[in-house]
This record gives sequence, C-alpha cells and structure tokens, in this order.
Amino acid sequence: AQSVTQLDSQVPVFEEAPVELRCNYSSSVSVYLFWYVQYPNQGLQLLLKYLSGSTLVKGINGFEAEFNKSQTSFHLRKPSVHISDTAEYFCAVSVRGTYKYIFGTGTRLKVLA
Amino acid sequence: GAGVSQSPSNKVTEKGKDVELRCDPISGHTALYWYRQRLGQGLEFLIYFQGNSAPDKSGLPSDRFSAERTGESVSTLTIQRTQQEDSAVYLCASSLVTGGLTVEAFFGQGTRLTVV
Repeated sequence: AQSVTQLDSQVPVFEEAPVELRCNYSSSVSVYLFWYVQYPNQGLQLLLKYLSGSTLVKGINGFEAEFNKSQTSFHLRKPSVHISDTAEYFCAVSVRGTYKYIFGTGTRLKVLA
Repeated sequence: GAGVSQSPSNKVTEKGKDVELRCDPISGHTALYWYRQRLGQGLEFLIYFQGNSAPDKSGLPSDRFSAERTGESVSTLTIQRTQQEDSAVYLCASSLVTGGLTVEAFFGQGTRLTVV
C-alpha cells in the first residue's frame, strides 16, 4: 500500500529564513506528487505538483519542490518565508493510473517575526 | 461554479442524530472524493466516485456512513446516529479525468461537524 511520511509535525522558522518541509513516499511504481497548503479554517489549496519531466517543480508563493526518485522524496522548499506562509502543509501521492490520493499527516509551519 | 462548494460550512448536532453533508463539485469533474480530517491529523480517505458510481468505499469507517452522487454532480455524505468521534472536518474534492487518469484534486472549504 502507498504511504506518505512527513517526519516533521511542526516547523518553526523566523521570517525571511529558508525552510524545507520533508516528504517521503513509499511506492515502487510511477507516481504523481503534490503539495497542498491549508490556511486556518480553509480548505486545501494546491501549491505545486510533479507529473513528469523536470524534477524541480516551481509552485505558487515562491515555493518549489524536488522529486528524487532514488530517495523517494519530494521535499518542499522556500528560500525566504513570510509571516503569511504560516499554515499546514500536506504532501500527497497518487499512483499513475489510479484515482486515490494518499496524504501525509501534515507539517505545521509557523513563521516567527 | 468556479470551485468545489460544500454546505453547511459548520454543523453542530446532538449525539444520535443523522446529518447530511453536501458537495457541489466543479462542473465537468467526473471524479469526486470525500475525506475526513480530525483535529490535528491528516486527511483520511472515505470514498471515491467516478460518475455516479462508487468503486471504492473502503474508507467509510462504519455502516453508519453512506454517500451518494446524482447526475454526475452533487454528492451527499450521510452519517446516521452520529457519535462524538464523528466530529471532524469533512472535505470534498473533485478532479477531472483525462485519458482515464485523474490528476489534480480541487478541494472545497469543508464542513466542520461537531457532535455534542
């Protein structure tokens, strides 16, 4: 069965510092990978996705992620965070040719002034 | 509509009552999903619809939970005889199916259910 691991449940970081949110997945087949962001009391919004092609994916709000097949990882990065980036971030995987999205448990990013 | 719409946004119900949660997916999206998000936890898959049929109901936690979809559009999630452990945010998502593949899922704002 597919699974997604987000090792860090909470990540505090100071404003304008860089951040990396880690995501590892278990799959021996081709997958699509996603990062979603959930602001307080809101639904999930897609940040970025990897379908194929370049392993470095750029998303909205200055975020980017790199697909590493050998390490089965899809870590999310931002070189300089803002207070407004404070939110919950979810990594998700979908096996190609299937319909189900498997989500990680989320990482709560808290940006400190 | 422009996005996935869920109603109500908040629902408080007494233990033992039945509740219905509604989801209006993005027009043209044939795939529809229900997820549950308990406080401080990740998303738990409940059920998936392709058109009006539900090929995967494996995530429904008990027979108190059921869902239906009509007209390849609106879906309702029904919870009978609600229990306090049913308290959670219920999220609906829809996705376009192209060439037999579903790609990006678009989420609604969720329904926050509180069972008292």
